[in-house]
Amino acid sequence: QKEVEQNSGPLSVPEGAIASLNCTYSDRGSQSFFWYRQYSGKSPELIMSIYSNGDKEDGRFTAQLNKASQYVSLLIRDSQPSDSATYLCAWLMDSSYKLIFGSGTRLLVRP
Amino acid sequence: EPEVTQTPSHQVTQMGQEVILRCVPISNHLYFYWYRQILGQKVEFLVSFYNNEISEKSEIFDDQFSVERPDGSNFTLKIRSTKLEDSAMYFCASSDLSRGSYGYTFGSGTRLTVV
Repeated sequence: QKEVEQNSGPLSVPEGAIASLNCTYSDRGSQSFFWYRQYSGKSPELIMSIYSNGDKEDGRFTAQLNKASQYVSLLIRDSQPSDSATYLCAWLMDSSYKLIFGSGTRLLVRP
Repeated sequence: EPEVTQTPSHQVTQMGQEVILRCVPISNHLYFYWYRQILGQKVEFLVSFYNNEISEKSEIFDDQFSVERPDGSNFTLKIRSTKLEDSAMYFCASSDLSRGSYGYTFGSGTRLTVV
């Protein structure tokens, strides 16, 4: 069973701090990884994609991928209360192009 | 910014009734998907659709489910005889899977409540 594991949280950080979200996956062949943000009752919104080992930065967000450790993470710098949401890690099955989602980590940014 | 449009936003139906959930994917996308999310649970894959046919379906997508692309723009999910456990948010998504853009765009979802 191909899985994505995330800590459900909640992860609570003060405004302005760095939030660190982590995800592990079971399929060594996975090539494409994504972070989605989901506000309560809303649809997932793509915030980052990463396909190769290392770091990828986009504004306040940095995604990190380590394929040897089967680990992907998301750092949010200068966290804002509006970042409070559930963050979903997902990987794309290359054979079928379907996304496998983790159960998500709830992030709370305290003002 | 192009978006995926879903209608209705909320549907209440009686158990055993048929429902059709509608989606308009992004116009130049070629791959279409339905996902669902039961309250408090993971986003789960239902079905993918490419080149006017199903490319993959999950165990959830049994005979009571069907998908159709009746014209060049709409993509529908039909549930023939709804059960209480079909109550969930249903998300349509589309992708062009072009290089550097493997992520999907999701629609805003349809909340289906079966009573």
